[in-house]
Amino acid sequence: RKEVEQDPGPFNVPEGATVAFNCTYSNSASQSFFWYRQDCRKEPKLLMSVYSSGNEDGRFTAQLNRASQYISLLIRDSKLSDSATYLCVVTMFSGGYNKLIFGAGTRLAVHP
Amino acid sequence: ETGVTQSPTHLIKTRGQQVTLRCSSQSGHNTVSWYQQALGQGPQFIFQYYREEENGRGNFPPRFSGLQFPNYSSELNVNALELDDSALYLCASSFTGTGANVLTFGAGSRLTVL
Repeated sequence: RKEVEQDPGPFNVPEGATVAFNCTYSNSASQSFFWYRQDCRKEPKLLMSVYSSGNEDGRFTAQLNRASQYISLLIRDSKLSDSATYLCVVTMFSGGYNKLIFGAGTRLAVHP
Repeated sequence: ETGVTQSPTHLIKTRGQQVTLRCSSQSGHNTVSWYQQALGQGPQFIFQYYREEENGRGNFPPRFSGLQFPNYSSELNVNALELDDSALYLCASSFTGTGANVLTFGAGSRLTVL
């Protein structure tokens, strides 16, 4: 079983749609959680951190359920510019350092 | 504030050759980590350097090695290249201190092994 699992997609949605991505992680000792965005042939960039209380940044809402080891990202009112791959990332402290583990990513394509 | 820069951006090598990739960390950051991203996959952790020493390593063979210099820049060296080493190699810098590590990635070095 992979340490971080995501639905690879692609999710093809029209502009204005609401889309949700899910992510599960296997290690209950995971400490921090993030969503990164990666455009085609570019580097990953931090989209938002994920907190147990849930957090929102404009059209983006992230949720964490530690009991179920599940993370979600909701995008409302999708824009063409949201088309990208969304990477779920968990961190855990192991061997004296913080180790970041990436999921394989979920691809989103927003069409007119 | 300068970001993370990597060089070269693209390179082509043949099996058995050696390659060195370079990374300059973002100003104020003291930790550099390297990731390998194969097509259609998420980045896979190779290793991390802090205070010029490797302090974490993923599941990569010893032919993957690295260095960190006093100015926090870093190199990734891969010996005896194999076809499966073809990938985007990403360098990320961060500040090791209090709080969660937030990585800033460079644009990557795309390696093709023929």
